Amino acid sequence: GAGVSQTPSNKVTEKGKYVELRCDPISGHTALYWYRQSLGQGPEFLIYFQGTGAADDSGLPNDRFFAVRPEGSVSTLKIQRTERGDSAVYLCASSPGGTVKRETQYFGPGTRLLVL
Amino acid sequence: GENVEQHPSTLSVQEGDSAVIKCTYSDSASNYFPWYKQELGKGPQLIIDIRSNVGEKKDQRIAVTLNKTAKHFSLHITETQPEDSAVYFCAAPGSQGNLIFGKGTKLSVKP
Repeated sequence: GAGVSQTPSNKVTEKGKYVELRCDPISGHTALYWYRQSLGQGPEFLIYFQGTGAADDSGLPNDRFFAVRPEGSVSTLKIQRTERGDSAVYLCASSPGGTVKRETQYFGPGTRLLVL
Repeated sequence: GENVEQHPSTLSVQEGDSAVIKCTYSDSASNYFPWYKQELGKGPQLIIDIRSNVGEKKDQRIAVTLNKTAKHFSLHITETQPEDSAVYFCAAPGSQGNLIFGKGTKLSVKP
């Protein structure tokens, strides 16, 4: 079946601009996670959705970052007033959502964001 | 909160040799430990995982061992092949089911 998909695959923007990154999870998965991966580092947690609600947004670095999942499927990560330090690969993962602390998370290919 | 340490950061082996990557974790309540392989320009791909009710799990050339007392787990790849070259990440659960990742090990398999 189809895996996690993310669009766009690459995004180049200018400092100060607004960007939206989209994630389509595996069909039926209720848990959805956003991570950010800087060069040479492991993925770092940003936000977790269980269904439509953000169950944990403690990883968002500041209030320029926001994410939504209005219908419990597709999620959009929104970054306002982008800064050069926001340049990274943004990864989305989903899992079935039952016992979330013991479930496999399936990752998408990521969106490579470059802020000039 | 959980903290995951991974060693080594780079590993170079000859084709056919074995490779071992080790991780330690801090939260004794953690009970699920996945390993991901990430190739250049791609997202992490799960290759094997282990839950705390077992001490070892194998899948063909890949195995993972878990020592709950010492709070460490290891990835073992036998008969390495050039296509095993990638960055490998270990992980453990965070407080909300998110994963806490190690910093990664870049494995190079020389033909």
